[in-house]
Amino acid sequence: DVKVTQSSRYLVKRTGEKVFLECVQDMDHENMFWYRQDPGLGLRLIYFSYDVKMKEKGDIPEGYSVSREKKERFSLILESASTNQTSMYLCASTPPSRNTQYFGPGTRLTVL
Amino acid sequence: AQKVTQAQTEISVVEKEDVTLDCVYETRDTTYYLFWYKQPPSGELVFLIRRNSFDEQNEISGRYSWNFQKSTSSFNFTITASQVVDSAVYFCALSSYSGAGSYQLTFGKGTKLSVIP
Repeated sequence: DVKVTQSSRYLVKRTGEKVFLECVQDMDHENMFWYRQDPGLGLRLIYFSYDVKMKEKGDIPEGYSVSREKKERFSLILESASTNQTSMYLCASTPPSRNTQYFGPGTRLTVL
Repeated sequence: AQKVTQAQTEISVVEKEDVTLDCVYETRDTTYYLFWYKQPPSGELVFLIRRNSFDEQNEISGRYSWNFQKSTSSFNFTITASQVVDSAVYFCALSSYSGAGSYQLTFGKGTKLSVIP
């Protein structure tokens, strides 16, 4: 079975804090993705990675960075969290040259 | 540019009614894939179906069926005899190749389905 896990289901941080959201998949997938989901806006792609140490910007990368040091782990970093980054964050992965994305349970981040 | 439109923001039906969720897409690609995902209140997106642009056969899986019509750029999803457990947000998505063996998905904004007992 496909398994994508995210480090926290709920997270509360303060403005200006550095925030790490972790995503791990155990299926040896090459491609991993980070999205944010907001009411009325659907899912928007922040960053994706198609290999270790490789990253590509999605549609809304501003205010975020990512890290992929190992194939199974893809981290989303908020260098200095702001209230407009309060959102649901979803991680996904796919095998190489395949396009069905499998999602983790999501992290609901609140920035106060 | 890829675009997916789910015009229905919210739908409410009474249990056992049939309901159709609409999805219209735009793409210049000749080969593409379409998807439906379900997001129950727990939050995790669950993959339901993938369809490629060369296969216009309708698909049925239990109470779920999908109608793909290339002529109208639509990929609609019907739930027959709806149940309370079908209450969720449903997303339609379209894939595009982004290089290096990687595909991106463009999602619609979702349709929230509420099934009332």
